[in-house]
Amino acid sequence: NAGVTQTPKFQVLKTGQSMTLQCAQDMNHNSMYWYRQDPGMGLRLIYYSASEGTTDKGEVPNGYNVSRLNKREFSLRLESAAPSQTSVYFCASSSGQGVDEQYFGPGTRLTVT
Amino acid sequence: AQKITQTQPGMFVQEKEAVTLDCTYDTSDPSYGLFWYKQPSSGEMIFLIYQGSYDQQNATEGRYSLNFQKARKSANLVISASQLGDSAMYFCAMRGQTGNQFYFGTGTSLTVIP
Repeated sequence: NAGVTQTPKFQVLKTGQSMTLQCAQDMNHNSMYWYRQDPGMGLRLIYYSASEGTTDKGEVPNGYNVSRLNKREFSLRLESAAPSQTSVYFCASSSGQGVDEQYFGPGTRLTVT
Repeated sequence: AQKITQTQPGMFVQEKEAVTLDCTYDTSDPSYGLFWYKQPSSGEMIFLIYQGSYDQQNATEGRYSLNFQKARKSANLVISASQLGDSAMYFCAMRGQTGNQFYFGTGTSLTVIP
């Protein structure tokens, strides 16, 4: 069981470039999430997907798009990267039932210059 | 609006002592869940403990316990018998009634001193 995997681990982009962060989980979880973590700000929810085929905005969705490709995979796309999007990005998944604790991936450190 | 507040940016504790990390929350939802996560320097987020808003007893998981005071809207994490490996960032989080929106606090950095 790999749990939640994210690629890439590190990425440097120039302003205006685009990229997609990939996330996959092998726990048959219904719900998946994308967060960003900035110093002193904790984790802030960008988008989430309660089930395959559905996505919803979180607290800070501007500048991002997501795709729930299937039950396993949830990708985050930056269409035109900005320096303000320099952050650590975490993907997470949860069962959607019971305690519903989230399981997190290892994170992607993104720098936009 | 949902909000989680952690007012202690950094805490120090002597090895083998107990420590309390504070968390207060704000919600108008009648049903909600409260979580604590640990983030070591390696960066991963590790789930520690959960308290449901209707749970009558405080949650416990090994050396972790949650001091839940509903009227005060507080959910403090108590770590007993601190170990060097407990040095990490600790985040309090809340899930509201809708179920898919999670709100995190800004975290508390805990350092365990030998």
